[in-house]
Parts: sequence; C-alpha cells; structure tokens
Amino acid sequence: EVQLVQSGAEVKKPGESLKISCKGSGYSFTSYWIGWVRQMPGKGLEWMGIIYPGDSDTRYSPSFQGQVTISADKSISTAYLQWSSLKASDTAMYYCARGTPPRNYFDYWGQGTLVTVSS
Amino acid sequence: EIVMTQSPATLSVSPGERATLSCRASQSVSSNLAWYQQKPGQAPRLLIYGASTRATGIPARFSGSGSGTEFTLTISSLQSEDFAVYYCQQYNNWLLTFGGGTKVEIK
Repeated sequence: EVQLVQSGAEVKKPGESLKISCKGSGYSFTSYWIGWVRQMPGKGLEWMGIIYPGDSDTRYSPSFQGQVTISADKSISTAYLQWSSLKASDTAMYYCARGTPPRNYFDYWGQGTLVTVSS
Repeated sequence: EIVMTQSPATLSVSPGERATLSCRASQSVSSNLAWYQQKPGQAPRLLIYGASTRATGIPARFSGSGSGTEFTLTISSLQSEDFAVYYCQQYNNWLLTFGGGTKVEIK
C-alpha cells in the first residue's frame, strides 16, 4: 500500500527555521516525484515545488523560489520542505504528494502538516 | 505561468441531481489536466487524470471531459459524500498550477 506520512504539527516564532518531512512507503521512492502543496487557512491549493528523489532534480514555483528549500534523502525514502526564517504568512497546511512521471499529477497525498507561525 | 480558472466558485445542488464544474486554462494544456476532491479536514484526493481517466477506486458517476483550454467535471447523481471542494490542476509543463476551486454544497 502506497503511503506518504508527514511529520507532526509545528508551532514556531517568526524568524525561526523549520524542516518538515514526508516519508514514502509501499512503492519505489526513487521512481516518482514528490511535490509540496501549500493551503493557507480557508484558501485553495498552491503548488510550491517538486523533487525527483532518484537524482534530486528539483523544480520550484516562482512564487516559492528562494523562500523554501526542497530536498530528499533516498536512503530513508523521505522528502523535506524547509524554511530558514519563517514569517507569519507561512502559517498554513502543507501537503506532500506523489507525482506520477512523466507528467505530474498527484495520485497519493500525505495527511498534511500544519505549520503555525506566531509571536 | 498557466492560469487555471474554475467556475462557478460555489455550486448548490440537491442530492441526486447532476453537477457540472468547469475549468479553463489560459493556454492549451492538451489533456494534461487532473481533478481533485477535498473534504473539510482531509487531504485532496485524485479523481481524474488525463482529463478523462478515473483514478483507481473512483465511482463511475464522476466523469471528466475536454482538452486544450476547456474542461468539465461532471458528477452524474450527487451523493451525500460528494459535497466537497473540487480543484483542477494542469501538468502540461513543469510550472504546475491549480484552479481556485469549486465548492459543491447542498441546496
């Protein structure tokens, strides 16, 4: 069974750093892309970026380029999304999802990680 | 960036009725279009990919059509569990984009 299990909810202060994770199982982790999607409170879905764990090829939405870093450790089948300096506007639910090559629609999703940034 | 526009923003439908949701792309995405369903407090779920192919386990009452810039998701007879928000997503190029969503609510 394909599963993406994300790390738990986080409460941080502005300016702090954060790294959240997404662990894949039940499939070949290096053969599919992993994408990250933001959902701000009461809003729609926004694609942030995507990584191919097989060779770490990474693409970012221009809206998120330079704001976050996406990485993966294929040895433990885990992808990451990290911030070096959080802002209150980063408060949102973050989902990871498996992208099916060669084109990337998302067929399996993680349960989401709620990130709250507040002073 | 390809902009995806969904209409209407909210659709009020009675159980058992047909629902038709629209998604328009600002430029052609061929058939590289997916639809997702999201219920409150849950992650999105893939319904349709390739504009018209149902994902595994999706009931036949869900159907997708269209190509190029105009797409439609039809729910033939709404069940109680179908009231949710629906998003389209294009994957024609590396800059993936979602539509703003259509909320299907009980009339």
